Amino acid sequence: QVQLVESGGGLVQPGGSLRLSCAASGFTFSNYYMNWIRQAPGKGLEWISYISSDGRTTLYADSVKGRFTISRDSAKNSLYLQMDSLRAEDTALYYCARRGGSQYNDFWGQGSLVTVSS
Amino acid sequence: QSALTQPASVSGSPGQSITISCTGTSSDVGAYNYVSWYQQHPGKAPKVIIYDVSIRPSGVSNRFSGSKSGNTASLTISGLQAEDEADYYCSSYTSTSTLEVFGGGTKLTVL
Repeated sequence: QVQLVESGGGLVQPGGSLRLSCAASGFTFSNYYMNWIRQAPGKGLEWISYISSDGRTTLYADSVKGRFTISRDSAKNSLYLQMDSLRAEDTALYYCARRGGSQYNDFWGQGSLVTVSS
Repeated sequence: QSALTQPASVSGSPGQSITISCTGTSSDVGAYNYVSWYQQHPGKAPKVIIYDVSIRPSGVSNRFSGSKSGNTASLTISGLQAEDEADYYCSSYTSTSTLEVFGGGTKLTVL
C-alpha cells in the first residue's frame, strides 16, 4: 500500500535551517509529481512546493520562495525540503503528498512538525 | 487570508444534508475543472473525498458529492452521520505562479 513517512522536523531558532525528508513506498516513486503542504497550528492548509516526476520542474509559494528548496532522489524513493532562513511563521506541520493522476493530492503522509522559536 | 473562500463553520443534524461552498476566481475555480475536497479529522492527515470537481475516489461514500458553477464549487454531504464531523478543505489548480490554492477550511459539526 502507498506510504509516505516524513521525518526531520524539530525545534529550530529563527534564521536557522532544517531539512525534511519523506520516504515513499508502495508505488513507483519516479512516476509521480510530489508536493509539500503545511498546516500552522490551528490553521488551514497551505501548498508550499511542487516537484515534477523527473525533478526538473519545481514551483514554490511566494511565502517560501528563495528560502526553501524541494528535491527528490528516485534511487532512494525520497522527497526532500531544505528550509533555510526560517521564521516564526514557518512553524507548522509539514506534509508530503503524492500528486494523483489529475490535479489533486491522493495520498498524504502523517506530517513532520517544525517549530521555529528562540 | 486564503485564496479560496469557505464558510468557517456549518452544522446539521444526523440524516440531513449540508452544502459547503468554495469561492475562487477566474484564475482558479472558474478556469479549470480541477477542484478537489479534503476531509480532515482532528490529529489526522487530510484525505481526498472529491477530485476533478465531482469524482469520488474509490472507497469514498456516495453521500459525498461535488459540483461547480462559475467561480464557486460546492461539496454536499447527504445523510449526515456523526463520523462526518471534521474539517473540510477545498483546493483548486491555478494558472498563477503557484500550483494550487486551498480554502481556509470549514468545520462541520453534526448536532
